[in-house]
Amino acid sequence: SQKIEQNSEALNIQEGKTATLTCNYTNYSPAYLQWYRQDPGRGPVFLLLIRENEKEKRKERLKVTFDTTLKQSLFHITASQPADSATYLCALRNYGQNFVFGPGTRLSVLP
Amino acid sequence: EAGVTQFPSHSVIEKGQTVTLRCDPISGHDNLYWYRRVMGKEIKFLLHFVKESKQDESGMPNNRFLAERTGGTYSTLKVQPAELEDSGVYFCASSQDSYYGYTFGSGTRLTVV
Repeated sequence: SQKIEQNSEALNIQEGKTATLTCNYTNYSPAYLQWYRQDPGRGPVFLLLIRENEKEKRKERLKVTFDTTLKQSLFHITASQPADSATYLCALRNYGQNFVFGPGTRLSVLP
Repeated sequence: EAGVTQFPSHSVIEKGQTVTLRCDPISGHDNLYWYRRVMGKEIKFLLHFVKESKQDESGMPNNRFLAERTGGTYSTLKVQPAELEDSGVYFCASSQDSYYGYTFGSGTRLTVV
């Protein structure tokens, strides 16, 4: 069956460190993979999209990698700040289908 | 630019009643999506409009759910009659291009008692 897993329900890191979140999938052949941030009581906010033929994408302190052989995406936040604390969701889509979301990882950046 | 607006933000109804959720997408966005999160689980796809046409409604759980998008602008999602398992947060999102990032609304929290 198809499944999307994100490394853990919660991740705590110290301010200034790099946070690394993982997204693993099974029985998908995604053409696109997105990462979103969600704060309590709010809808997800789009951060980055990476295509199947791209290995890496960067945006300011954010970096996403996409390994279709390992069926995994990694999401990095460098020089993390307490304001980065939120739930991060990966979402992927096969060709011709709509995005499917993972369960999310709740990140807490401790001052 | 104004974001995606959802109304109401919260709704508490009794089992068997009818509720209508509304979504106003970003102006000019042809693509409109409904998703929902129930019982703390993953956000699940419900359906996708392109303008006023339903592109994909494979995620609609049953025929108690009816979505419309009048004139390709705002959309409504009606649940009739509501059941307890319909409780959750209903999100609407819109995008110019179905391949790029979606802009989500803040959601409607529906509680069926």
